[in-house]
Amino acid sequence: AQKVTQAQTEISVVEKEDVTLDCVYETRDTTYYLFWYKQPPSGELVFLIRRNSFDEQNEISGRYSWNFQKSTSSFNFTITASQVVDSAVYFCALIAERGGADGLTFGKGTHLIIQP
Amino acid sequence: NAGVTQTPKFQVLKTGQSMTLQCAQDMNHNSMYWYRQDPGMGLRLIYYSASEGTTDKGEVPNGYNVSRLNKREFSLRLESAAPSQTSVYFCASSEFLRGDSRGYTFGSGTRLTVV
Repeated sequence: AQKVTQAQTEISVVEKEDVTLDCVYETRDTTYYLFWYKQPPSGELVFLIRRNSFDEQNEISGRYSWNFQKSTSSFNFTITASQVVDSAVYFCALIAERGGADGLTFGKGTHLIIQP
Repeated sequence: NAGVTQTPKFQVLKTGQSMTLQCAQDMNHNSMYWYRQDPGMGLRLIYYSASEGTTDKGEVPNGYNVSRLNKREFSLRLESAAPSQTSVYFCASSEFLRGDSRGYTFGSGTRLTVV
């Protein structure tokens, strides 16, 4: 079975602060894929990034960066110089290569509040 | 714009009533999914369809049925709604398991309240 843990239920920071959202995963599969999705107050789910288990390079996209560490089964997400528009619920998710009934397994989400 | 379309966006049902949530995608994806989102629970898979003509249970299938009408459409039916089914429902489609590098594409959600 797969499991994704987002231990931070809610984080509140002041605008321009850096913030890191934690994600820890469990899977017995050797090939798997990790995702981050953003759910703004409007409710839709927005794809942010996908990372393969065989590619441990960190990724940066503007103010967003992701740190993937297989040794600690973590895939953390950092927002640099946060903005009010970053306020949303962020979900980390996992799928094994074999897919099937496990599908895309989500963490419970972290509600990020950026205060002006 | 290409994507996943869900209807209705909002619905209020009385306990015991039935209804069908509709989902259609125009990306020619083989795989489609129904998830429910509850506060503090993240998204949980109800049913999925790996390809036209096949459906399988996910993590929380009790109280639901699905139909993969054709490649584009995947509907979710509540035969006798219960208050525990009050939730936000998301449909998604994907070709990820067949090498598409994108993630899953989600519909905008259906907010269902059962009273």
